[in-house]
Amino acid sequence: GQNIDQPTEMTATEGAIVQINCTYQTSGFNGLFWYQQHAGEAPTFLSYNVLDGLEEKGRFSSFLSRSKGYSYLLLKELQMKDSASYLCAVRPPGYSTLTFGKGTMLLVSP
Amino acid sequence: GAVVSQHPSRVICKSGTSVKIECRSLDFQATTMFWYRQFPKQSLMLMATSNEGSKATYEQGVEKDKFLINHASLTLSTLTVTSAHPEDSSFYICSAKGVGGETQYFGPGTRLLVL
Repeated sequence: GQNIDQPTEMTATEGAIVQINCTYQTSGFNGLFWYQQHAGEAPTFLSYNVLDGLEEKGRFSSFLSRSKGYSYLLLKELQMKDSASYLCAVRPPGYSTLTFGKGTMLLVSP
Repeated sequence: GAVVSQHPSRVICKSGTSVKIECRSLDFQATTMFWYRQFPKQSLMLMATSNEGSKATYEQGVEKDKFLINHASLTLSTLTVTSAHPEDSSFYICSAKGVGGETQYFGPGTRLLVL
């Protein structure tokens, strides 16, 4: 099975940097995804990591360490619109499905 | 690219009626579509996976006779909630994955309220 842990809530101020961690314990692994979900809306894709290392995409970066079962999403130059829930999702080998964590609610304040 | 639409966006119905939700991939062919349900302040829970032209695979605890899924073409999947009850009220979200693709792209969701 899959067990995915991420903090429930985080707060940060506009312009700052925030790191959202995700740890997973799985019977297998074939990729980790980060999604952003604003309240009442569907998730939007942010990043995909399958190999160790850092993937940078604009203000957002995602890091993966497969040996540690650990990933983080780094958000730079925070904006008010970044207030949302950030979902970590793991894909097991041989399947196209995803298992989602409970999400981290990020609140960005002025 | 990779746009997924859902219709309707919101529906209110009486208990006992059936509701059909459509999920379409607009600019790509979706060999696999997924249906999720999300209760308030909860994470996405996968209900079923459907591949075009074959029967859907349901997750444990999801009644296949209550949640009918049809994936008749590479761009359309439908979820029918049969004999809906108030406890079926939720946010239903579909996602789609293209041929050889790694990423699931989500539709905007359908909010169902059963009175």
